[in-house]
Amino acid sequence: SAVISQKPSRDICQRGTSLTIQCQVDSQVTMMFWYRQQPGQSLTLIATANQGSEATYESGFVIDKFPISRPNLTFSTLTVSNMSPEDSSIYLCSVPGQGVWNTEAFFGQGTRLTVV
Amino acid sequence: KQEVTQIPAALSVPEGENLVLNCSFTDSAIYNLQWFRQDPGKGLTSLLLIQSSQREQTSGRLNASLDKSSGRSTLYIAASQPGDSATYLCAVGSNDYKLSFGAGTTVTVRA
Repeated sequence: SAVISQKPSRDICQRGTSLTIQCQVDSQVTMMFWYRQQPGQSLTLIATANQGSEATYESGFVIDKFPISRPNLTFSTLTVSNMSPEDSSIYLCSVPGQGVWNTEAFFGQGTRLTVV
Repeated sequence: KQEVTQIPAALSVPEGENLVLNCSFTDSAIYNLQWFRQDPGKGLTSLLLIQSSQREQTSGRLNASLDKSSGRSTLYIAASQPGDSATYLCAVGSNDYKLSFGAGTTVTVRA
């Protein structure tokens, strides 16, 4: 299994500012994913964080709004830029299992963001 | 695009009853299916993973079945307890490790 640490666990931010969320994994992983969970909704994939190249974004998400860094195989950051109240959500990073038969997904504890 | 639906959206049962949570998906070409538990304002805890070649998985009081051809999975929780109160999420995995989530079933177990 993988242990994932996310920071911060929660934050309250002013609209128009940016917040960077960190995700640290206790082992090297090829793929890392960032998900968003808006209030009362389920999880939606934002992007795949690729080591050594630009992140791959899902439809409806753009790099200018959600820039992602992946400097090595154990760490990634997601920035929520120019925030508005609609960005209030839980943001979670995730990694898949590392074995051929171990494809279980693991999640960090999430970052609860409130934009006021 | 994979669409995942969970029924019911909410469920309230007295302690001791068995729980049956349903998940359906539109594209049967799945890699795996995973059930998660989420407590309010928290992250996700993995409960069970079913590979696409498997029909069911069991862990303690939990049993999950998978019928790929009909696009369905069911999570059974035996002898429910108040500590089982949470939101249960079904997630369908593709071969690129991306997950498509259902909206969840919120369970309340009354003491």
